[in-house]
Amino acid sequence: GNSVTQMEGPVTLSEEAFLTINCTYTATGYPSLFWYVQYPGEGLQLLLKATKADDKGSNKGFEATYRKETTSFHLEKGSVQVSDSAVYFCALHWQGGSEKLVFGKGTKLTVNP
Amino acid sequence: EPEVTQTPSHQVTQMGQEVILRCVPISNHLYFYWYRQILGQKVEFLVSFYNNEISEKSEIFDDQFSVERPDGSNFTLKIRSTKLEDSAMYFCASSETNIQYFGAGTRLSVL
Repeated sequence: GNSVTQMEGPVTLSEEAFLTINCTYTATGYPSLFWYVQYPGEGLQLLLKATKADDKGSNKGFEATYRKETTSFHLEKGSVQVSDSAVYFCALHWQGGSEKLVFGKGTKLTVNP
Repeated sequence: EPEVTQTPSHQVTQMGQEVILRCVPISNHLYFYWYRQILGQKVEFLVSFYNNEISEKSEIFDDQFSVERPDGSNFTLKIRSTKLEDSAMYFCASSETNIQYFGAGTRLSVL
């Protein structure tokens, strides 16, 4: 079945450090891929998305590229801020008739000043 | 900005009791969902709802669970007789296209 494997956390970085959170997926066909972020006490918010191979999603300085050849959608940011501290979820939506999102386990990021 | 709201934020109940978790989806959305996240585990799909009926459900969504849209704004998840293993964060989501918007969740604690 469809699944998402996400880098285990927690991740702790200093402000202005480079961030990578790895995400790989298993799916039939061509899923859409998403990164959601959950700030403390809040719901899951869509951070960025990509709907086809080689698409790059970007938002708030975060980027992720849909790599079909490696079935990956790694999240990157060049310079993290304290306000980026949150839990990050990679997810896929299989476009073959199912409506559900399939999530990874989430990666908790803490950025220290 | 429109948002999905969920109440209560935290629900504590005794095993065997019925609970109803409430959600107000974004007003022009037509698709509604419930997910749950047991502590330390993945966010898991429970059910999707469209046109006043269940359109898809997971194997987790057994006869103990039901969903309802009792009026034009609310979307509820009922657990008939709660078990200890139902303790989790429950997220409601709604969508107009393939982007799902989530609420802040209800933390259910079954004692």
